[in-house]
Amino acid sequence: ILNVEQSPQSLHVQEGDSTNFTCSFPSSNFYALHWYRWETAKSPEALFVMTLNGDEKKKGRISATLNTKEGYSYLYIKGSQPEDSATYLCAGPSGDDKIIFGKGTRLHILP
Amino acid sequence: DVKVTQSSRYLVKRTGEKVFLECVQDMDHENMFWYRQDPGLGLRLIYFSYDVKMKEKGDIPEGYSVSREKKERFSLILESASTNQTSMYLCASSPVWGGTYNEQFFGPGTRLTVL
Repeated sequence: ILNVEQSPQSLHVQEGDSTNFTCSFPSSNFYALHWYRWETAKSPEALFVMTLNGDEKKKGRISATLNTKEGYSYLYIKGSQPEDSATYLCAGPSGDDKIIFGKGTRLHILP
Repeated sequence: DVKVTQSSRYLVKRTGEKVFLECVQDMDHENMFWYRQDPGLGLRLIYFSYDVKMKEKGDIPEGYSVSREKKERFSLILESASTNQTSMYLCASSPVWGGTYNEQFFGPGTRLTVL
């Protein structure tokens, strides 16, 4: 089973500041890496699915990079807003059609 | 709009009761998943199904069973609920084409409390 690690566990960021956090995974047998955002009282929803080394994806103020050779992905949020407060989950493949999730990074945006 | 629905948002049951958690998706997805989420542990896979009547154990299947009689519906069953099954339960689905390249679509979750 692939172990997916996320850091930090929790993060407090001032509104307007930019931030980033990390997902690391074993680099062997890599297929795809997923990022999800989970807001309180809502369903987790996918931000990105990344497959290629060096890939960079962007959705509004959120972007992600992928390094499959060294086994990490960064998620960046530019100019944090209150609506960015959420838990951010990453997940990697765990055989067949399954993925395994990290424990998440809980982001709090301070007004 | 794609949709995964779960039968209850909140559920309170007593130890020893049989509990059914229902999940329905309207996207014609082959794959369906049941996870539980506990503080500090993240999402852990209980069971998944890649077709009607097919099921596979995930990482923590003990104490649970599942049923998939129709493509759109995936049920999680707690045969005899115990207090350590108090948790948030999330259902998800994804198309089989593309395997783990496909994002999963999640339901809103059921917060189960076993007294």
